[in-house]
Amino acid sequence: ILNVEQSPQSLHVQEGDSTNFTCSFPSSNFYALHWYRWETAKSPEALFVMTLNGDEKKKGRISATLNTKEGYSYLYIKGSQPEDSATYLCANSGGGADGLTFGKGTHLIIQP
Amino acid sequence: DAGVTQSPTHLIKTRGQHVTLRCSPISGHKSVSWYQQVLGQGPQFIFQYYEKEERGRGNFPDRFSARQFPNYSSELNVNALLLGDSALYLCASSLVVSSSYNEQFFGPGTRLTVL
Repeated sequence: ILNVEQSPQSLHVQEGDSTNFTCSFPSSNFYALHWYRWETAKSPEALFVMTLNGDEKKKGRISATLNTKEGYSYLYIKGSQPEDSATYLCANSGGGADGLTFGKGTHLIIQP
Repeated sequence: DAGVTQSPTHLIKTRGQHVTLRCSPISGHKSVSWYQQVLGQGPQFIFQYYEKEERGRGNFPDRFSARQFPNYSSELNVNALLLGDSALYLCASSLVVSSSYNEQFFGPGTRLTVL
């Protein structure tokens, strides 16, 4: 079983501030770490797929880092905007066709 | 191009009934996966199909079954519905079978309520 933990569970951030949250996963049997953004009533949207220790990926104001040895990934949002309000999910893959193991998500609310 | 589509959007059933949920993957994608998301939890893997064959299965009872058609669309079937089956059912498509490195594209889900 690949348990994935995310913290915090929810987060209120003032518009314009930067924020970050954490995804923890078992470092053994690691293949890839996926980040998704999920807005209410929409489909989960893939942000990043990360595989290499020390990897850092960026998409606009959002970036993510990966530490496979200690089993964690950070997602950073710079200069939060109201449209960043969403649930951010991370998921670990153990390889093969066994699907993704998701955390419970971090619910982010950007306050104007 | 259309993304992953799912039907119906919402569904209400009673305990003991049977339900069929449908998914059409992105054009060119040959793999479809199904996930169940209950309130307060992350999505949980149910099945993955590739080239019409089951390639992976999560920890779900035999009441759950699925199939994939020649056009790569897929159906998820649940028999003898229980109250605990109430959830959002998500379908995801990807180009190939491996979920390790390949991006999975999700549909909007079907909300199933069992009364």
